[in-house]
Amino acid sequence: ETGVTQTPRHLVMGMTNKKSLKCEQHLGHNAMYWYKQSAKKPLELMFVYNFKEQTENNSVPSRFSPECPNSSHLFLHLHTLQPEDSALYLCASSQVHLAGGTDEQFFGPGTRLTVL
Amino acid sequence: GEDVEQSLFLSVREGDSSVINCTYTDSSSTYLYWYKQEPGAGLQLLTYIFSNMDMKQDQRLTVLLNKKDKHLSLRIADTQTGDSAIYFCAEQGEGKLIFGQGTELSVKP
Repeated sequence: ETGVTQTPRHLVMGMTNKKSLKCEQHLGHNAMYWYKQSAKKPLELMFVYNFKEQTENNSVPSRFSPECPNSSHLFLHLHTLQPEDSALYLCASSQVHLAGGTDEQFFGPGTRLTVL
Repeated sequence: GEDVEQSLFLSVREGDSSVINCTYTDSSSTYLYWYKQEPGAGLQLLTYIFSNMDMKQDQRLTVLLNKKDKHLSLRIADTQTGDSAIYFCAEQGEGKLIFGQGTELSVKP
């Protein structure tokens, strides 16, 4: 795969487990995003990183912890999740312009997470 | 707050035209997007329109924007079974995307 890749594609975890989702973009973009997609609900923006700095946290519970070590990689660390956290987690990247504005976002294939 | 609404389902016959509608609330949106999501896959950008345009055509796709009514539509001509997917409308404001719930398009042979 090229563009935006995500691993793993599927993850099943218990409520006491700790796991991490990984996203990598090969597009030279400077912004990365985590979204949550639940059945029959709009995509929910979780976190935004611009130039490796977190610029948005949309009231996401602390059991989700993002990490952006460089502009190409983004992680979502998971611990003590709840069954209602089961969803498709999508990563995206885009190019943000210093003068303002951002280009379209490119999405990865997502990680299908099931919390038992 | 910002909100984007879409109908949840649309069913058409192969060869017919499909029209997927979307309404949004943020009048300051600069770009409006249509994304396609096939089963088990992420979102793929289909097309987009700048807010000062009222129509954009790209092969079988036609996007119509009525800025006064904050209404966006995507028309797919000669719909094929491969067009079956969920289509998301999204508006861009203040550097972030606000998505609708998605319209599931079912194409029957």
